[in-house]
Amino acid sequence: DQQVKQNSPSLSVQEGRISILNCDYTNSMFDYFLWYKKYPAEGPTFLISISSIKDKNEDGRFTVFLNKSAKHLSLHIVPSQPGDSAVYFCAASAQYTGNQFYFGTGTSLTVIP
Amino acid sequence: DTGVSQNPRHKITKRGQNVTFRCDPISEHNRLYWYRQTLGQGPEFLTYFQNEAQLEKSRLLSDRFSAERPKGSFSTLEIQRTEQGDSAMYLCASSFLPDNEQFFGPGTRLTVL
Repeated sequence: DQQVKQNSPSLSVQEGRISILNCDYTNSMFDYFLWYKKYPAEGPTFLISISSIKDKNEDGRFTVFLNKSAKHLSLHIVPSQPGDSAVYFCAASAQYTGNQFYFGTGTSLTVIP
Repeated sequence: DTGVSQNPRHKITKRGQNVTFRCDPISEHNRLYWYRQTLGQGPEFLTYFQNEAQLEKSRLLSDRFSAERPKGSFSTLEIQRTEQGDSAMYLCASSFLPDNEQFFGPGTRLTVL
């Protein structure tokens, strides 16, 4: 029962262009959403988050958009850099679950120099 | 503080043996989480502690798995009578209430032969 889905296992983008990573969820109780970046042989590293009371959160080159009615969030990276090449996981949680995170299956981003 | 640490980083064992992993969270964090990640999947929640109390366990956590956090600091995850299906990356994360962001360790990769 996959409550958080990332339907694109991989994405390739030219350096300097925009990367858009998508994530869909099914549980309407989720109220907090995060993006993590993972390099090989390392644990996931927090990137950016958004609460359900907002529809956009921006941090430098990274912007997360939340569409609650569509149960969809996306991560925009602009401009993309080769160092952004990693696997990106979206995660969702709800306060009633003790902030247990439900992760998607990840999207592997390759930024081509 | 250098973040969440996990030991060992790699463990190879024979089927039927017991293994124990250790996680040292960020020192002021009162919540500690265990996740399991298999190839091509995102991290899957196993259990979490608030201080020394284990508050929730996933149905993924069979009777062969036990976790402890005796003094509310480090935690151990033990797997008894390991099976080949237990082969995975075991990730530990910690967070500080009321913040939602979880900081992950590098993981312990278990291979059961």
